Amino acid sequence: ILNVEQSPQSLHVQEGDSTNFTCSFPSSNFYALHWYRWETAKSPEALFVMTLNGDEKKKGRISATLNTKEGYSYLYIKGSQPEDSATYLCASGATSGTYKYIFGTGTRLKVLA
Amino acid sequence: EAQVTQNPRYLITVTGKKLTVTCSQNMNHEYMSWYRQDPGLGLRQIYYSMNVEVTDKGDVPEGYKVSRKEKRNFPLILESPSPNQTSLYFCASRGLEVHNEQFFGPGTRLTVL
Repeated sequence: ILNVEQSPQSLHVQEGDSTNFTCSFPSSNFYALHWYRWETAKSPEALFVMTLNGDEKKKGRISATLNTKEGYSYLYIKGSQPEDSATYLCASGATSGTYKYIFGTGTRLKVLA
Repeated sequence: EAQVTQNPRYLITVTGKKLTVTCSQNMNHEYMSWYRQDPGLGLRQIYYSMNVEVTDKGDVPEGYKVSRKEKRNFPLILESPSPNQTSLYFCASRGLEVHNEQFFGPGTRLTVL
């Protein structure tokens, strides 16, 4: 079974601060790395799907990088806003004939106005 | 509107009383999956399906059954629910291309007394 770890577990930042989180995953049989944004009482919403080593993706103030050789991905938020407050999940998909996903436990971000 | 729907959204039942949680998607996705969310744990995959009549176990399949008779539907069946199956359940779907995002349903909160 893969083990996906996210750090930090939770984070409080001031409005306007930039921040970043880490997702670590086993690099063997790597297939894809998904990032999700999960607001309380809602369902996870896809941010990025990353597949290639060195991938960089950006959506507005949020960006992500991927290193499949060492097994980590970073998510960056530039100029955090209160509406960015959510739990950010990563999920690693590995394949050896199957397509299972293993999720991390998430980083809970609170942006203080 | 492209979406994944689940029913019911909330269910309280008793030990041993068979139940089915339905999941339907209107995006013509091949891949569908069920997850459960428990406090302190990441989303854990129960079962997934790559296409009609093709299903595979995730990491926590014990006590659950699924079927995929039609492409759009992927019901989760609990033949004899037990209190340890009290959880928040999500259904999700995606296309089979490696870069495809996974779309989540709204969740079903199940309590087994």
